[in-house]
Amino acid sequence: GAGVSQSPSNKVTEKGKDVELRCDPISGHTALYWYRQSLGQGLEFLIYFQGNSAPDKSGLPSDRFSAERTGGSVSTLTIQRTQQEDSAVYLCASSLRGAATEAFFGQGTRLTVV
Amino acid sequence: AQKITQTQPGMFVQEKEAVTLDCTYDTSDQSYGLFWYKQPSSGEMIFLIYQGSYDEQNATEGRYSLNFQKARKSANLVISASQLGDSAMYFCAMREVYSNYQLIWGAGTKLIIKP
Repeated sequence: GAGVSQSPSNKVTEKGKDVELRCDPISGHTALYWYRQSLGQGLEFLIYFQGNSAPDKSGLPSDRFSAERTGGSVSTLTIQRTQQEDSAVYLCASSLRGAATEAFFGQGTRLTVV
Repeated sequence: AQKITQTQPGMFVQEKEAVTLDCTYDTSDQSYGLFWYKQPSSGEMIFLIYQGSYDEQNATEGRYSLNFQKARKSANLVISASQLGDSAMYFCAMREVYSNYQLIWGAGTKLIIKP
């Protein structure tokens, strides 16, 4: 597709279960970002992938959160042993490398932990 | 210290009036980019406008313009002739070279246009 694709669009899970969120960036984009947005709040940075460089994981809130990016393309954000405070919209964005290019966002995955 | 500061959590503006959304930033980089995004209630993030640190002219895109004051580290978004559809959250963001082009975001401003 032409844009950033995220799946699932909605996910309801029970507390304590693991979830995987997927992001398929725009083809050729070397940078990929994951953000979390709680209701009515700004974007909280989670993790950033740039090409083959080691990812910047400084935003991951706990060791229950992890992400990988396979082959420089698709990324998966995994949350283990989900908690109710993990409920949020998880946004993925991708961009070409370089300061002059905007990031394109997916529609997000709305995660609800019950 | 905040890298991107948006001091207006919320604003009400009358339809057809111009509105200025404030954004100040902090960087020691000489090369950086500044972005504004709009997020309507539907949730998608929509790119509005970009300003490069070396651009001498203020960026403009239709009704959007960016009032770039480099010495003051200010990158305010100006929306002319506001419309009801402009009601949304607006985010300012910066990308620095030394941080490997990672995007840094402000907390956002909620803009409500009154009919």
